[in-house]
Amino acid sequence: AQSVTQLGSHVSVSEGALVLLRCNYSSSVPPYLFWYVQYPNQGLQLLLKYTTGATLVKGINGFEAEFKKSETSFHLTKPSAHMSDAAEYFCAVSLEEFSGGYNKLIFGAGTRLAVHP
Amino acid sequence: DTAVSQTPKYLVTQMGNDKSIKCEQNLGHDTMYWYKQDSKKFLKIMFSYNNKELIINETVPNRFSPKSPDKAHLNLHINSLELGDSAVYFCASSPDSHWAGELFFGEGSRLTVL
Repeated sequence: AQSVTQLGSHVSVSEGALVLLRCNYSSSVPPYLFWYVQYPNQGLQLLLKYTTGATLVKGINGFEAEFKKSETSFHLTKPSAHMSDAAEYFCAVSLEEFSGGYNKLIFGAGTRLAVHP
Repeated sequence: DTAVSQTPKYLVTQMGNDKSIKCEQNLGHDTMYWYKQDSKKFLKIMFSYNNKELIINETVPNRFSPKSPDKAHLNLHINSLELGDSAVYFCASSPDSHWAGELFFGEGSRLTVL
């Protein structure tokens, strides 16, 4: 089975502190990996993605994530949290369907990040 | 100029009614999707169309019927609405059906069934 697990449905940090949001995947083949952010009452925006090549990927708003194949992980980090980072964060994998070869995006359950002063 | 736009943004209706949500993308993409986000924020794919052809049809009640009049539009019609249909429905698009990159999402349509 191919799935995405996000550890911690809620994470709370102080402004200026390190942000670490965890994501593990299970897949029989190397997936493409994504982090999306959803601000209140908005759609999803891409933060960053890993397809091939460098395993440390940088995204928008100072976020980065590292693909670790041995740990099947793709954790999202940011050195210093800002109040505006408060949002819901989704890890996702892109996997080909067995039939037809069509690709679809499978999302984790999401992690709500709260940033307090 | 919004890339993926959905209407309406909010929809409140009674159980048993039929309602539609419309989606349009101006990105020139071939593939469009409907995702459902439940009250716990869990996102699940429902359907995908590629050039007006249905290519992904998840386990969704047949009260839900997508329609794609052309590759820029994907509508979702729901018959006999139930309380459990209350959710936010997101439309998304991608360049093609084998695309393994970023999906472009609309802002969502919040459906409340009373």
